[in-house]
Amino acid sequence: GQNIDQPTEMTATEGAIVQINCTYQTSGFNGLFWYQQHAGEAPTFLSYNVLDGLEEKGRFSSFLSRSKGYSYLLLKELQMKDSASYLCAVWELTGGGNKLTFGTGTQLKVEL
Amino acid sequence: DTAVSQTPKYLVTQMGNDKSIKCEQNLGHDTMYWYKQDSKKFLKIMFSYNNKELIINETVPNRFSPKSPDKAHLNLHINSLELGDSAVYFCASSQDIGPGWRYGYTFGSGTRLTVV
Repeated sequence: GQNIDQPTEMTATEGAIVQINCTYQTSGFNGLFWYQQHAGEAPTFLSYNVLDGLEEKGRFSSFLSRSKGYSYLLLKELQMKDSASYLCAVWELTGGGNKLTFGTGTQLKVEL
Repeated sequence: DTAVSQTPKYLVTQMGNDKSIKCEQNLGHDTMYWYKQDSKKFLKIMFSYNNKELIINETVPNRFSPKSPDKAHLNLHINSLELGDSAVYFCASSQDIGPGWRYGYTFGSGTRLTVV
């Protein structure tokens, strides 16, 4: 089974850096995704980590430590449009296929 | 062109009714999914199909019946709707394990179901 934890809410200032943490416990880990979801919209892909270390993509970076069951999403130079929910999701390989199990999401509010 | 399209976007209906939500993807993906997002924004898998075959069936009441006529379509039929079924239902698709998997799921825009 899966247990994925992330903070419910965070607030940060425009131009700042924010780190959103995610911890997970799983029996069949095959990778970790971060998705962004604006209110009333579908989740959209941000990043994927399967090996330990940091993946950088523009203003967004994602880190994974498989031994610690830990990941974080780092957002730099925050913009107002970054206000959204950020979903940590673990890819689990089940008996017949694969599935993403999502955390409850972190609602990020970016303020002036 | 919309990659994963769901219809309808909004659905308001009375308790006890039967309704369907349709989903189509034009990405050539082999696997499709239904997820339910409740009022607390928790996104939970319901079903997955791979090439028209049911792969994952989480603990979902049997009032919910998915149907996949071909690998580009996955529909969700709900019988005897209840108040607790009110949620946003997302369809998604993905490639099979391979280089394309690292991009994860592509989601449809969601169907907001309200049962009154």
